[in-house]
Amino acid sequence: DAKTTQPTSMDCAEGRAANLPCNHSTISGNEYVYWYRQIHSQGPQYIIHGLKNNETNEMASLIITEDRKSSTLILPHATLRDTAVYYCIVRVPYSGGGADGLTFGKGTHLIIQP
Amino acid sequence: KAGVTQTPRYLIKTRGQQVTLSCSPISGHRSVSWYQQTPGQGLQFLFEYFSETQRNKGNFPGRFSGRQFSNSRSEMNVSTLELGDSALYLCASSWVTGAYNEQFFGPGTRLTVL
Repeated sequence: DAKTTQPTSMDCAEGRAANLPCNHSTISGNEYVYWYRQIHSQGPQYIIHGLKNNETNEMASLIITEDRKSSTLILPHATLRDTAVYYCIVRVPYSGGGADGLTFGKGTHLIIQP
Repeated sequence: KAGVTQTPRYLIKTRGQQVTLSCSPISGHRSVSWYQQTPGQGLQFLFEYFSETQRNKGNFPGRFSGRQFSNSRSEMNVSTLELGDSALYLCASSWVTGAYNEQFFGPGTRLTVL
């Protein structure tokens, strides 16, 4: 799997957009970018994923650069409940056979300030 | 729909003992993956079960084992516990193996080995 690089921590004011960057310069053509987050004392939660087009859902937007070497997760109106560790993961999705799990790095600790 | 449940939530054992953790996936999900989370190593993949068969295994010693029942519930067992096995053990379920965008995590079992 391609390696990802994320800042260790970030602050964002409540109500503002939180932009979390991720570098994945060795990503291959069939690898997707997945974002998960883990709120303290809970299991990780899937947020969004994409291949090359920008994606948006009810939680966030994902912007992937044209060369696919980096991406940005955007939380449009951050709230205190968005304080969590955010993981950017690059994987090939399996449609069958044995899945060898997600590889979580250190992630970015996002702190939303009131 | 009920989420992924894990029992027990907290467990204290002593070195040399063995432990069994349980995971009940979301109804209809047939894939269950197990992860270990420690402050030093982060989240690491243990193994994945699909239709009662272990599909893949992470880089853990043979003391870590698991199984899945016909109702998709899964158990993991750790024998001859070591201090380093103290961790949060998470399970995640999905309807099919490798569906990383639809992988739902449980709250975890916090194991402390004394």
